[in-house]
Amino acid sequence: GESVGLHLPTLSVQEGDNSIINCAYSNSASDYFIWYKQESGKGPQFIIDIRSNMDKRQGQRVTVLLNKTVKHLSLQIAATQPGDSAVYFCAEAHMDSSYKLIFGSGTRLLVRP
Amino acid sequence: DAGITQSPRHKVTETGTPVTLRCHQTENHRYMYWYRQDPGHGLRLIHYSYGVKDTDKGEVSDGYSVSRSKTEDFLLTLESATSSQTSVYFCAMGLALNTGELFFGEGSRLTVL
Repeated sequence: GESVGLHLPTLSVQEGDNSIINCAYSNSASDYFIWYKQESGKGPQFIIDIRSNMDKRQGQRVTVLLNKTVKHLSLQIAATQPGDSAVYFCAEAHMDSSYKLIFGSGTRLLVRP
Repeated sequence: DAGITQSPRHKVTETGTPVTLRCHQTENHRYMYWYRQDPGHGLRLIHYSYGVKDTDKGEVSDGYSVSRSKTEDFLLTLESATSSQTSVYFCAMGLALNTGELFFGEGSRLTVL
């Protein structure tokens, strides 16, 4: 697989604690907001998405919060595990016929054992 | 395992030479994308396709062209490679407009000397 040594902001958490990863987006017209996880040497992997008409969505151990007032998106990971160590990207999309996803620059999550 | 493969996975070439990267999917997804990933920039969209022979430009399309002559293949061509095109290239596919979920390939690392 491939990976890129990105100079990223890093969040370090203790195993078992909750993690909160934040993202600021730019386009108030975006229809969807998405979180992706990228492990070392692999392509990004979809985690969860949320429509612009929602403010919260829950998945398995993850919750995404959307605050359109301040254009802020967050990903909460409950009971963080070593396997959660990765780079996390937020993305936004305007679902017209073009269906383009625009990615943010990413946050590295390190889980301490 | 996600039904999308990229080739070659690694390539070293010289400035001025043409390069073609291939993305092949077996899922019959309509939408396909090429992204590049560089330190400090995250993932940036180069070109995308919303059907056979239907393509459009992304954020960083200069110096790149694409072709999609059949649903399963999306080719990215650098007509005359430059050192600034040294990067990791990711192909992705998407099924529908009502979700932000894309499936990514494992990436192709291109080095232009």
